[in-house]
Amino acid sequence: GIQVEQSPPDLILQEGANSTLRCNFSDSVNNLQWFHQNPWGQLINLFYIPSGTKQNGRLSATTVATERYSLLYISSSQTTDSGVYFCAVVRGNTPLVFGKGTRLSVIA
Amino acid sequence: GAGVSQSPSNKVTEKGKDVELRCDPISGHTALYWYRQSLGQGLEFLIYFQGNSAPDKSGLPSDRFSAERTGGSVSTLTIQRTQQEDSAVYLCASSYSGQGAFIGSGNTIYFGEGSWLTVV
Repeated sequence: GIQVEQSPPDLILQEGANSTLRCNFSDSVNNLQWFHQNPWGQLINLFYIPSGTKQNGRLSATTVATERYSLLYISSSQTTDSGVYFCAVVRGNTPLVFGKGTRLSVIA
Repeated sequence: GAGVSQSPSNKVTEKGKDVELRCDPISGHTALYWYRQSLGQGLEFLIYFQGNSAPDKSGLPSDRFSAERTGGSVSTLTIQRTQQEDSAVYLCASSYSGQGAFIGSGNTIYFGEGSWLTVV
């Protein structure tokens, strides 16, 4: 089945810093989503982005489908950005397949 | 409803007992998914419904696990004779259309807050 790899696995940032999270996938996909799982376990949709670029406030995402990767940019990070960021993809009729996530800690 | 609703939010049960977890998807969403997340781990797919049928049951870990969906809406995940390794967060999600159908943002998948199960 399709493989999803996220990097880095862990990231510690000073408040105000910028960061880039990466998601590589092993085959073409027809759905890609980024989620943020907050410390209480809630999975929050960030972007539905099978291709192209989207921005939402301090967050933006770019997916280059032909090269099988997606990037999530976090600018001017805040402590509330802490948590785990998951990339998940769908290929054909497979279920949504998740990467192992990037655990982000933003310190004041 | 406004979002995916799950109940109970927390459940502590004794080993060997049966448990039922409920999911109420977003109104109008035809696809419903169950995932499991053990402590500190990623999400493990369990089962997917399109309407009331389950075209993909590949993730159910054993025959102690079953799920049903009635009226194209509410779903129940049942775990029989619970074991300690069943302890996890059980997450339900829904989407407007089923997996594999590319209909733009209509395929966005939304998760509930999860049911935290502890088997003691």
